[in-house]
Amino acid sequence: SQTIHQWPATLVQPVGSPLSLECTVEGTSNPNLYWYRQAAGRGLQLLFYSVGIGQISSEVPQNLSASRPQDRQFILSSKKLLLSDSGFYLCAWSVFSYGYTFGSGTRLTVV
Amino acid sequence: AQSVTQLDSHVSVSEGTPVLLRCNYSSSYSPSLFWYVQHPNKGLQLLLKYTSAATLVKGINGFEAEFKKSETSFHLTKPSAHMSDAAEYFCVVSPNTGGFKTIFGAGTRLFVKA
Repeated sequence: SQTIHQWPATLVQPVGSPLSLECTVEGTSNPNLYWYRQAAGRGLQLLFYSVGIGQISSEVPQNLSASRPQDRQFILSSKKLLLSDSGFYLCAWSVFSYGYTFGSGTRLTVV
Repeated sequence: AQSVTQLDSHVSVSEGTPVLLRCNYSSSYSPSLFWYVQHPNKGLQLLLKYTSAATLVKGINGFEAEFKKSETSFHLTKPSAHMSDAAEYFCVVSPNTGGFKTIFGAGTRLFVKA
């Protein structure tokens, strides 16, 4: 069966520190992978999208970057966190119209 | 272009009474439509999906939704609310290829009173 792992579950980081959030998928090959951010009381904002290894797309200029070093691994990074980077980060995967499967999320608080 | 509007930011019902969460969409082609549920500090879980088959879609936990093309609606219903249904619900419209064209609604927070 397909599963998605996302860690850590919670993270408190000081302003200016680096960030690395990891997401891995099992039980499927060549999925579309996504990073979403959900700010408090707001909807989901798509940050990055990947259709394959090394292929990253983003429409939202920001302080974050993403990488896909392996088919089922998706990493969200930042060199220097800002206060505005706080939020709930969700990794997801999909295959065509089957819908998204989401990870359990990472609550990031930048202090 | 696509868009999705969840008509209520908050809905409050009593336990045992029906639930109605409203969603309207617009799309220039036949979309796939989804409802997701999110409990506090958790990821989103797929409740049900419509992908151009039967217009009445049954999902998990007793939820169902009806695709009405003439009204461009995809409302989520449940005959009898349970306390465990209290959560946030997202209506989603997507082309079959996913990607950036997938649009999430702003969400509807469901409160269930004892």
